[in-house]
Amino acid sequence: AQSVAQPEDQVNVAEGNPLTVKCTYSVSGNPYLFWYVQYPNRGLQFLLKYITGDNLVKGSYGFEAEFNKSQTSFHLKKPSALVSDSALYFCAVRSLTGGGNKLTFGTGTQLKVEL
Amino acid sequence: NAGVTQTPKFRVLKTGQSMTLLCAQDMNHEYMYWYRQDPGMGLRLIHYSVGEGTTAKGEVPDGYNVSRLKKQNFLLGLESAAPSQTSVYFCATTSEIAGPGANVLTFGAGSRLTVL
Repeated sequence: AQSVAQPEDQVNVAEGNPLTVKCTYSVSGNPYLFWYVQYPNRGLQFLLKYITGDNLVKGSYGFEAEFNKSQTSFHLKKPSALVSDSALYFCAVRSLTGGGNKLTFGTGTQLKVEL
Repeated sequence: NAGVTQTPKFRVLKTGQSMTLLCAQDMNHEYMYWYRQDPGMGLRLIHYSVGEGTTAKGEVPDGYNVSRLKKQNFLLGLESAAPSQTSVYFCATTSEIAGPGANVLTFGAGSRLTVL
């Protein structure tokens, strides 16, 4: 079975400061890892993904994520947060060895960026 | 180009009533999914389809049925609604599960269902 843990329900950051949203995963074999973002009353939007290659993945809106195989983590980061980044962020995983046509999502982390 | 359209956006049902949620996509995607979103639970997969005429169970399929008679449409049915099915339902699609675009899902705006 594949699973994702997002240990923080909410992360508060001041605008201009760096932000990190944590994600750890459990999967058989090598993973595909994703971050999605949800703005209020909207569906989720794709942010970035890791499949293979460079452990640092760059995505939309200045976000990046670092894949760490030894720690089974895929933390989302941004060097300088904006108020407009405030949203609900979901980490997701799929296994490359079976169940490959569906993602398992974490419970989500609410990011609040304040002036 | 509408992408993924869900209807209705809001619905209130009484316990025991039935209803169908419609997901329509104009992107010619093979794979379609129904998720439900509940506070503190994240998104949980209800049913999914890997192509026209196919359906499969996800993580929480009980109390729901689905059909994919046409490639562009994926219907989610509740035969006898229960208060535990109060949730926000999201449809999602993807064109591929291998390669650069693998599992990049396009989501609909959601359908908020309340069962009294």
